[in-house]
Amino acid sequence: QQQVKQSPQSLIVQKGGISIINCAYENTAFDYFPWYQQFPGKGPALLIAIRPDVSEKKEGRFTISFNKSAKQFSLHIMDSQPGDSATYFCAAKISSNTGKLIFGQGTTLQVKP
Amino acid sequence: NAGVTQTPKFRILKIGQSMTLQCAQDMNHNYMYWYRQDPGMGLKLIYYSVGAGITDKGEVPNGYNVSRSTTEDFPLRLELAAPSQTSVYFCASSYSRDRTSEQYFGPGTRLTVT
Repeated sequence: QQQVKQSPQSLIVQKGGISIINCAYENTAFDYFPWYQQFPGKGPALLIAIRPDVSEKKEGRFTISFNKSAKQFSLHIMDSQPGDSATYFCAAKISSNTGKLIFGQGTTLQVKP
Repeated sequence: NAGVTQTPKFRILKIGQSMTLQCAQDMNHNYMYWYRQDPGMGLKLIYYSVGAGITDKGEVPNGYNVSRSTTEDFPLRLELAAPSQTSVYFCASSYSRDRTSEQYFGPGTRLTVT
């Protein structure tokens, strides 16, 4: 119930294409859903996040779509660029006093020029 | 601000050796976390702390210990290193427990146990 399942494990997209990464969860106590971006040799960094009472959030070329009834959310990267090549993690935050995050397994995205 | 710093960047340990991974933050964050990252497994929480003197176990605490004597520092201790502890370790911190409070990650320590 504490798991967040992420797919696909890896993704190759042509420059200018749309990258889509999906996540699913079981625990209804999750109340915040951030996405982190990690470049090789670096720590993860927050990319974009969404609350469960919102169905979509857009920041530039990055959009989160959230389906509360299906317990699924996805990251869409529009007009994908080679500089977007990185590993992406979805996560879920538990409604508690600890701020703990549960991470998905990660998706390695390669954008080909 | 330096943010979250971790030392060392790389380390090779022999089975049975011990070591301490250092983590420090200069953002006056109360909340600090240790994760390990393994290929295809995402990040797993090892230990966390909600303030100086307060620590608790995460998902995968076995083989590790932590302490939090100051707000700034949150070292992770490995006793009797095992090959299963080969991983990349990340320290993170956040200002509050609020759901929108961002976790800031350090650059990581790559540990190999042979």
